[in-house]
Parts: sequence; structure tokens; C-alpha cells
Amino acid sequence: AQSVTQLDSQVPVFEEAPVELRCNYSSSVSVYLFWYVQYPNQGLQLLLKYLSGSTLVKGINGFEAEFNKSQTSFHLRKPSVHISDTAEYFCAVSELTGGYNKLIFGAGTRLAVHP
Amino acid sequence: DAGVIQSPRHEVTEMGQEVTLRCKPISGHDYLFWYRQTMMRGLELLIYFNNNVPIDDSGMPEDRFSAKMPNASFSTLKIQPSEPRDSAVYFCASSLRQGTGELFFGEGSRLTVL
Repeated sequence: AQSVTQLDSQVPVFEEAPVELRCNYSSSVSVYLFWYVQYPNQGLQLLLKYLSGSTLVKGINGFEAEFNKSQTSFHLRKPSVHISDTAEYFCAVSELTGGYNKLIFGAGTRLAVHP
Repeated sequence: DAGVIQSPRHEVTEMGQEVTLRCKPISGHDYLFWYRQTMMRGLELLIYFNNNVPIDDSGMPEDRFSAKMPNASFSTLKIQPSEPRDSAVYFCASSLRQGTGELFFGEGSRLTVL
């Protein structure tokens, strides 16, 4: 069965500093990987996704993530964060076992950007 | 294009009352999902539909919960009777038939059961 582990529940960082949010997954088959962002009192929206091809994926708002199959990781990075990046970030995995498969979400990482 | 629309945005009710949450998915999306979000348990998938048919309801916590999708543009999640532990934010999401796992979420319905 697939599972997703987000290693940090909270990440405080100063504005304009780089940030990395860590995500590891477990699955016995090929997967699709996603990062979603949730701003306060809003639903989740897609930041970026890995389906196939290049392991470095670029998303919206300057975020990128790298798929590492050997380490079963999909860490999210941004070289310089803004106050407006303060939000909760969710890593998710969709396992390809035929048909349509449900997304499994990690517990989330709360990113707090301080001035 | 309009996104996923949920109503009500906020609901406060008393224990034992019936609660009905509503969702209108994005037009053309064949999959609809209901999630529940709490501080303790995070995001939990309750049920999902494909072409209006429930496919997996293994996440529905108990018989007090039921979900329907009478047509492609409308779904309901009902809790009867409601209990304080049902307090949570309930999200509806939809995706395309050829979906690659990308979901489009509504803004959620925040339920408080007193």
C-alpha cells in the first residue's frame, strides 16, 4: 500500500531565504507525485506534479521539486521565499495500479515565512 | 470557468441534527471526491465517484455518513445524526476522466457540531 511521509510538520524561515520541504513515499509500483498548497481558509490547489520524464519539476510561484526514485523522495524547494508563501503544503502520491487511483496525502507541512 | 462550488461554507449545528453538504464539480469532470480535514487526522478521503457511481466508500467513518451523486453536476454528503466529533472541514474535489491524480478542490465546508 502507498503512503506519504512529510518529515517536518512546521518549517519557520525568514523572508528571502531558501526553503526545502521534505516528502518521502512508499509504493511497490510506479507513482505520480504531487505538491498541493493550502492558504488559510481555502481549498488545496496544485503547485506542481511529476508524471514522467525529467525528474526536476517546476511549478507555480517559483517552486520546484525533484523526484528521486532511489530514495523515494519528492522534496519541494524554493530559492527565495516571500511572506505570501506562508501556507500549508501537502505532498501526495497516486499509485498506478490500473484504472483511476485515489490520491493519498501526507500530513502536511506548515511553512511560516517571517519578515 | 467556475471551479468546484461547495455549500454551505460554514455550518453550525447541534448534536443529533442532520447535516447536508453540497458540491457542484467542474463541468466535464468525471470523478468527484469527498475529503475531510481535521487537525488530528489530516486529509482523509471519505468516498469518490466515477460517472456518478460510488467507487470506493471505504473511508466513510460509519453508517451515519452517506453520499450521493444523482447527476454529473451535483453531489451531497449527509451526516445523520451528527456528533461533535464530526466537526471538521469537508472538501469536495473533482478531476478529469483521463485524470493523472490532479484534483481541483472547492473551498470547503466548515462544520461545527455543538
